[in-house]
Amino acid sequence: GMPVEQNPPALSLYEGADSGLRCNFSTTMKSVQWFQQNHRGRLITLFYLAQGTKENGRLKSTFNSKERYSTLHIKDAQLEDSGTYFCAAEAGNNNRIFFGDGTQLVVKP
Amino acid sequence: EAAVTQSPRNKVAVTGGKVTLSCNQTNNHNNMYWYRQDTGHGLRLIHYSYGAGSTEKGDIPDGYKASRPSQENFSLILELATPSQTSVYFCASGAGTGVAEQFFGPGTRLTVL
Repeated sequence: GMPVEQNPPALSLYEGADSGLRCNFSTTMKSVQWFQQNHRGRLITLFYLAQGTKENGRLKSTFNSKERYSTLHIKDAQLEDSGTYFCAAEAGNNNRIFFGDGTQLVVKP
Repeated sequence: EAAVTQSPRNKVAVTGGKVTLSCNQTNNHNNMYWYRQDTGHGLRLIHYSYGAGSTEKGDIPDGYKASRPSQENFSLILELATPSQTSVYFCASGAGTGVAEQFFGPGTRLTVL
């Protein structure tokens, strides 16, 4: 199977709602990086984690290498959060980086 | 100051033509990468480099060559462009050993007619 499975593929939220995105890995990963791709196509790095949890404002990400998953939580969603979110994980055995297919997030007023 | 830049930002090419996409980074990173992104998909690795003079094949290298003449510059070359290579191409740099975080350029939209 694919090294990185990202869910859900699409998500629609109202402003103020909370939600989470998830990436499952088919093998042990050493690190994960979360990106937001904005409407102009630019990739913006949100988090880089080798383990544990990081928070930045309304965003929080967790990476559990042993359980083979990572999550991105969005709190109090805002219109500007709309975009496509990708996770990218570095494989533990060969240093290659694999991307998920993305979650397309739409935040509605 | 943008640390990873790409040129051109948009390119229209004809089938069979040669296309060169350029990437420059001021992060002084050892590693550089070329990805393509197709609608509905994540990024897929085409070629990467560990330093000046080195190029390595990624997951989808067929139809592409790469060149790393210096620490700062990494080019992606399509010798004979085909319509299937219409895509958005991203360049990235990374510090390398033990640190996988990558920094991305703004992307190049390539259309092959």
